[in-house]
Amino acid sequence: GIQVEQSPPDLILQEGANSTLRCNFSDSVNNLQWFHQNPWGQLINLFYIPSGTKQNGRLSATTVATERYSLLYISSSQTTDSGVYFCAVAGGTASKLTFGTGTRLQVTL
Amino acid sequence: NAGVTQTPKFQVLKTGQSMTLQCAQDMNHEYMSWYRQDPGMGLRLIHYSVGAGITDQGEVPNGYNVSRSTTEDFPLRLLSAAPSQTSVYFCASSWSSSGGNTIYFGEGSWLTVV
Repeated sequence: GIQVEQSPPDLILQEGANSTLRCNFSDSVNNLQWFHQNPWGQLINLFYIPSGTKQNGRLSATTVATERYSLLYISSSQTTDSGVYFCAVAGGTASKLTFGTGTRLQVTL
Repeated sequence: NAGVTQTPKFQVLKTGQSMTLQCAQDMNHEYMSWYRQDPGMGLRLIHYSVGAGITDQGEVPNGYNVSRSTTEDFPLRLLSAAPSQTSVYFCASSWSSSGGNTIYFGEGSWLTVV
């Protein structure tokens, strides 16, 4: 199956800093999504982005499908951004997602 | 519009007991799935369904059973609970199994098997 690697595994930022999270995947995909899991365990879909670039407020994401990686940018981080960010991909059956192990982000005051 | 609803939120079971985790969605989604999340890991797919009456196995199906008698409901059954099944379980749904679909997750069910 598809392998998904996320980096860095842990990240500590001061409020207001910017960060880039990376997701590498081992095969062609037709579905790539970024999720944020908040400290209460809730999973929130951030982006559906199998290719190209999207932006939503302080967050943006870019996927370069030909080179099999995706980047999630967080600008002007806030304490509410804390949690774990997961990249998940799927190949043939687009909703059979394979998750990476996540990047745990802590934003401090 | 409640989205994806899971019950119970917390459950403690004794080894060998059986139970059912309930999942319901009110978005008329075709595709539903169950994942488990273990500490320090991402989510792993247990079973999925592409429509009423159709189910299939995911990455870690052993010890679990599912059925899909209606579009709205997708229960997950633990046949004989084992400590290795202590985990957080997430149900998810999307409009279809084809590409281009945002997946929505329930709030999770915390299960402890003692």
